[in-house]
Amino acid sequence: DGGITQSPKYLFRKEGQNVTLSCEQNLNHDAMYWYRQDPGQGLRLIYYSQIVNDFQKGDIAEGYSVSREKKESFPLTVTSAQKNPTAFYLCASRGDSVNTEAFFGQGTRLTVV
Amino acid sequence: DAKTTQPPSMDCAEGRAANLPCNHSTISGNEYVYWYRQIHSQGPQYIIHGLKNNETNEMASLIITEDRKSSTLILPHATLRDTAVYYCIVRVYNQGGKLIFGQGTELSVKP
Repeated sequence: DGGITQSPKYLFRKEGQNVTLSCEQNLNHDAMYWYRQDPGQGLRLIYYSQIVNDFQKGDIAEGYSVSREKKESFPLTVTSAQKNPTAFYLCASRGDSVNTEAFFGQGTRLTVV
Repeated sequence: DAKTTQPPSMDCAEGRAANLPCNHSTISGNEYVYWYRQIHSQGPQYIIHGLKNNETNEMASLIITEDRKSSTLILPHATLRDTAVYYCIVRVYNQGGKLIFGQGTELSVKP
C-alpha cells in the first residue's frame, strides 16, 4: 500500500541526548514536511524539503536538523539544543501539483525525561 | 499565524448533518482552503479542499462563499467515529506550500 510511515510511534530519551525520528514515503512525492504538535495546539512547521538534497527551515527550526538524501526519506534529528523536545511529531508529504493534498504519517510521540 | 478562525467546539447528534464553519477573511485569490481532521494521537486525515467552487466527495461537502471569506464543511450524516478535531487550513505558497494550522474545532458526535 502507498503511504507515509513514521517510526517509532513512541520514543523515550534522556535529556541531553540527540534522537532521530524516521519518516519514509512511497508516494513518489517531492515535498516533505515535519511538524510539531503540543497538547491542545495546532501543528507548527519545523522543516520542509521540496526536492532531494535541499531543505529549508520552517517556523520553529531551532534545535532540530534534517537531511534529504533520498526522495523517500526525510529523517528529523531532535538535538540537545532543543529546549522543550517533548511533543508529538508529524511528517507529511505532498505531490507537485499546486492543489494536491498533503498526506500525514501517524506521528511519533517523543518524551524526554 | 493562522489565516483561519473556527469555533473551539461543537456538538452534533448522531445521524444528523454536522456543519462546521470557518472564517478566512484574509485569504488570497490563489490560496486553497483545505479541511483535515485529527483523532486523538493520530496523524491528520485529509477530508476535502477547494478554491472557489463548492466541492463534494465521499466524506463531505465544502461550501465556499462567493467572496471566499468563509466556508462550511458539511458531514451529511455524522457518526460517532466522526468525533475529532477538524482543522480548516489555508495553504500558502511560501515555505514550500506549507499548511498553516489554527486551533481547530473539536466536534463531538453524541448518540
